[in-house]
This record gives sequence, structure tokens and C-alpha cells, in this order.
Amino acid sequence: EDKVVQSPLSLVVHEGDTVTLNCSYEVTNFRSLLWYKQEKKAPTFLFMLTSSGIEKKSGRLSSILDKKELFSILNITATQTGDSAIYLCAVEVDSNYQLIWGAGTKLIIKP
Amino acid sequence: NAGVTQTPKFRVLKTGQSMTLLCAQDMNHEYMYWYRQDPGMGLRLIHYSVGEGTTAKGEVPDGYNVSRLKKQNFLLGLESAAPSQTSVYFCASSYRVRDPPYNEQFFGPGTRLTVL
Repeated sequence: EDKVVQSPLSLVVHEGDTVTLNCSYEVTNFRSLLWYKQEKKAPTFLFMLTSSGIEKKSGRLSSILDKKELFSILNITATQTGDSAIYLCAVEVDSNYQLIWGAGTKLIIKP
Repeated sequence: NAGVTQTPKFRVLKTGQSMTLLCAQDMNHEYMYWYRQDPGMGLRLIHYSVGEGTTAKGEVPDGYNVSRLKKQNFLLGLESAAPSQTSVYFCASSYRVRDPPYNEQFFGPGTRLTVL
């Protein structure tokens, strides 16, 4: 059975800290891994990763994929209160049009 | 562009009542999805559609039906609501590019449904 596991499930840090969120997967026919941020409403897209070792960056956020060890990390540096959200990881597997979602990491940034 | 919209935003039902949730997208996406999100469980796929007139079951389809009569609309129906269907429902849509793989899904704002 395909599965995606995120850790930790929740995390509380202070503003300015750096955080690392983890996403591991066990799937057949991996195609891509996606990260989303969910604040109060709809998830919004952050990154898509398909190749090992190539870092994607957007401002203070970055992500990398390791297809040998079957995981991805999402780093956030110099955290701000606006980074407080649930971060979701999803994996696309071949030929069934579906994303398999992790349970999410709830990140709380304290001022 | 409005993106993906959902109606209604909130609804309270009694056990056994029926209702339909409407999803509309104006991005000309082929693929549309209905998810439910419960605390601690991430997003679970209910049904999806790969084009007008097509539907398929996802991970948790029981108790729900869907229709995609027009490309831009995807309807989710509950025929006889149960308390276990209390959840937040999200609709999403996407292109899907085969090669290189690209399946970014765009989400609607969600519908919070409570079944008493």
C-alpha cells in the first residue's frame, strides 16, 4: 500500500529559528513530490520535486528530494509568525492521476 | 480569474438529509478532485474526474456520488448524510502533464459540513 508519512506532526518554535520538516514515502512508480502550505483555508502550492539532489528555493523556503532514501525535507530559515500553518506533502504515483497525501506538520511560530 | 470556487461555504445537515456541493473552475483544467480533510488525517480523495463525463472512485468513496456534466463543474452529492461525514470538503483541479511530470492541484476554499 502506498503511503506518505510526515514528521513531526506538530512543531512550536520561536520567530527567527530555522525549522526542518520531513516527508518520507513508500510508493510504487514515483513520479513527483509536492509540498503545500495550508493556512486557514485552501492548501497553496510551494514546490514540486522530481529529481534527487536538486534544491528548490523560494525566499526563505527550500526543499530537496532524496529518491534513494525515499524522503524530502522542507527547510524554513529565519521563521516569521506568518509561516505558521500546516505543511502538507503529497506524492504523485504513475498513471492513476492521484496524489497520496501525508497527514501534515502543524507549525506554530511564537513571536 | 476566480480560480476554483465552492458553494456553499458552510452547511449543517441532520442525519439522513441529502445535499449537493458545487465546485467550479475557470482554468480549463481537465482533472478535478473532491477531498475530505479530518483532523490529523491529511487529505483523503473521495472521487475524481479526468474529463467531462468521466468519474472515478478515490480512497473513501462510500456514501458519496459525483457528476461532471460540464468541464468546469464537479458536483459532490451526499444521498443520506451520516455524522461520520462531518468534515471539511475541498475541491481541486489540475492540468496533468505527462512528461515531465507535473500535477499541481489548485484548491477551492473548502466547505465545512456538520451532520447532526
